[in-house]
Amino acid sequence: QQQVKQSPQSLIVQKGGISIINCAYENTAFDYFPWYQQFPGKGPALLIAIRPDVSEKKEGRFTISFNKSAKQFSLHIMDSQPGDSATYFCAASSKTGGFKTIFGAGTRLFVKA
Amino acid sequence: DTAVSQTPKYLVTQMGNDKSIKCEQNLGHDTMYWYKQDSKKFLKIMFSYNNKELIINETVPNRFSPKSPDKAHLNLHINSLELGDSAVYFCASSQDPQGAGYEQYFGPGTRLTVT
Repeated sequence: QQQVKQSPQSLIVQKGGISIINCAYENTAFDYFPWYQQFPGKGPALLIAIRPDVSEKKEGRFTISFNKSAKQFSLHIMDSQPGDSATYFCAASSKTGGFKTIFGAGTRLFVKA
Repeated sequence: DTAVSQTPKYLVTQMGNDKSIKCEQNLGHDTMYWYKQDSKKFLKIMFSYNNKELIINETVPNRFSPKSPDKAHLNLHINSLELGDSAVYFCASSQDPQGAGYEQYFGPGTRLTVT
């Protein structure tokens, strides 16, 4: 019940294309769903996050779509750029879970120039 | 003016040794964490402290002992190191979960290699 399943494991996208990464969760107590971006040799950095009371959040080229009934959420990167090449992690956390954040397994994105 | 800093960045040691990793945050956050990232990039929480009090203690061997001397520091001490402890260890911090909403700031990581 504590898992967050992320797919795909890796993704190759042409420059200018749309990158889509999907995540699914089981625990309905989760109330915060962030996406983190990690470049090689660096720590993860928060990219964008959403709470379950909204179905979509957009920040620049990055959009989270959230489907509460399906317990799924996804990250869309529009106009993908080579500089977006990184590992992306979805995550979920809840107050009732002791504020523990559960991370997905990560998606390695490579944007071809 | 680094937000979350860790030392050392690299740590190479032999099996059986004891080592420590230090973490400091200058963000004024109340909560600090230790994560382990394995070779497959999987991130798993190990410990969390809120205002120097342990609030999350995942199922990790008791060879791992966190220590929080004050709310800006969270150190990780590892006894009797084993080959399987080789990984990248990340420290992170966040504002009180009741407040800003769980956004975590990660340090640059400490790559531990046990030979």
